[in-house]
Amino acid sequence: AQSVTQLGSHVSVSEGALVLLRCNYSSSVPPYLFWYVQYPNQGLQLLLKYTTGATLVKGINGFEAEFKKSETSFHLTKPSAHMSDAAEYFCAVSDTGRRALTFGSGTRLQVQP
Amino acid sequence: ETGVTQSPTHLIKTRGQQVTLRCSSQSGHNTVSWYQQALGQGPQFIFQYYREEENGRGNFPPRFSGLQFPNYSSELNVNALELDDSALYLCASSSPADRGAGNTIYFGEGSWLTVV
Repeated sequence: AQSVTQLGSHVSVSEGALVLLRCNYSSSVPPYLFWYVQYPNQGLQLLLKYTTGATLVKGINGFEAEFKKSETSFHLTKPSAHMSDAAEYFCAVSDTGRRALTFGSGTRLQVQP
Repeated sequence: ETGVTQSPTHLIKTRGQQVTLRCSSQSGHNTVSWYQQALGQGPQFIFQYYREEENGRGNFPPRFSGLQFPNYSSELNVNALELDDSALYLCASSSPADRGAGNTIYFGEGSWLTVV
């Protein structure tokens, strides 16, 4: 069975500061990993994904994430936060069998002016 | 804009009633999945349809059922509604050309269901 743990249900940063959202996963097979963003009253938008190959993945809006197998982590970072980054962020994992996504409980990012 | 459209956007039902939610997948996508997102939680996988057949199911009771049509649109039906069924229901579609687990899954805006 797969699972995802997102450490910190709420993260608050100042505009221009580093954003770090943590994600740890559990999977019995090589995982495919995703980060999605959800703005208020909207669906989910894919930020980035890791399947195979390069462990540092770049996504949209300046976000990136690094797959670390030894730490079973896939943390999301952005060097400089913008007010428009305020949203809910979800880490997810899937395997080749089910093709379904298992999501974490989400991290709400607040950006202070 | 993902090209996945859902209807209705909001609805209120009474406990014990039945509800049907609809989804039109992105053009050319023949795989559709449904997720339930309760308030303050991450989405949970309900089931997936591929070429009109159920192709995987999460931990949801049989009163949650679905259909996929020849044009790849889909319905989610929930019978005997319970208060805990109140949630955002998300439809997601993905490309047949890349059906492995790493393919990109596109989500709709969701249907908000309130059961009173």
